[in-house]
Amino acid sequence: DTGVSQNPRHKITKRGQNVTFRCDPISEHNRLYWYRQTLGQGPEFLTYFQNEAQLEKSRLLSDRFSAERPKGSFSTLEIQRTEQGDSAMYLCASSLEGGTNTGELFFGEGSRLTVL
Amino acid sequence: AQSVTQLGSHVSVSEGALVLLRCNYSSSVPPYLFWYVQYPNQGLQLLLKYTSAATLVKGINGFEAEFKKSETSFHLTKPSAHMSDAAEYFCAVSDAVNDMRFGAGTRLTVKP
Repeated sequence: DTGVSQNPRHKITKRGQNVTFRCDPISEHNRLYWYRQTLGQGPEFLTYFQNEAQLEKSRLLSDRFSAERPKGSFSTLEIQRTEQGDSAMYLCASSLEGGTNTGELFFGEGSRLTVL
Repeated sequence: AQSVTQLGSHVSVSEGALVLLRCNYSSSVPPYLFWYVQYPNQGLQLLLKYTSAATLVKGINGFEAEFKKSETSFHLTKPSAHMSDAAEYFCAVSDAVNDMRFGAGTRLTVKP
């Protein structure tokens, strides 16, 4: 399967712990996006990369959140000192440059985080 | 800044009935508009998109949407619902730069 892959699919953690999610985009895609989706809401933009450069970050991305894409391929999203309000589905999407212009965002199945 | 509003968080139709999911947008520039579908335990899939070509856009699985600038709407329709259409549907708007904004979603239930 050459789609967007996210791991782990589910993560349960205690408040205050750190968690890390990984996203492997479609191999030829140079853009990678992170979104957060809470129950009853649509996806909310967090950040995006073009190759290894992080070009935009949402206000939603507090200083406890950090995302990297070190070699322009896979990306990680780390949440430090998790809070119960961080419980959500974290979605990764990838596209070719200009993807947003044509709607061709390809989404992974998401990583569901539950903070106890 | 652009945004979308989806009217009705939950729509229920009978199998074979018309499906109508409503989406209104706000954008300061000519928008690009999209509908995505999310089946249970799956990622979002692009249903269709409007990118300033034809105002009536046809997508996968028999869905279509019409861009109406005067009404700032982009409603999604399907003439005859099928059980397999049960899913969450998201309308999204982009300013053609890097910022795609999603609506809150409409859950479609299809009754036999």
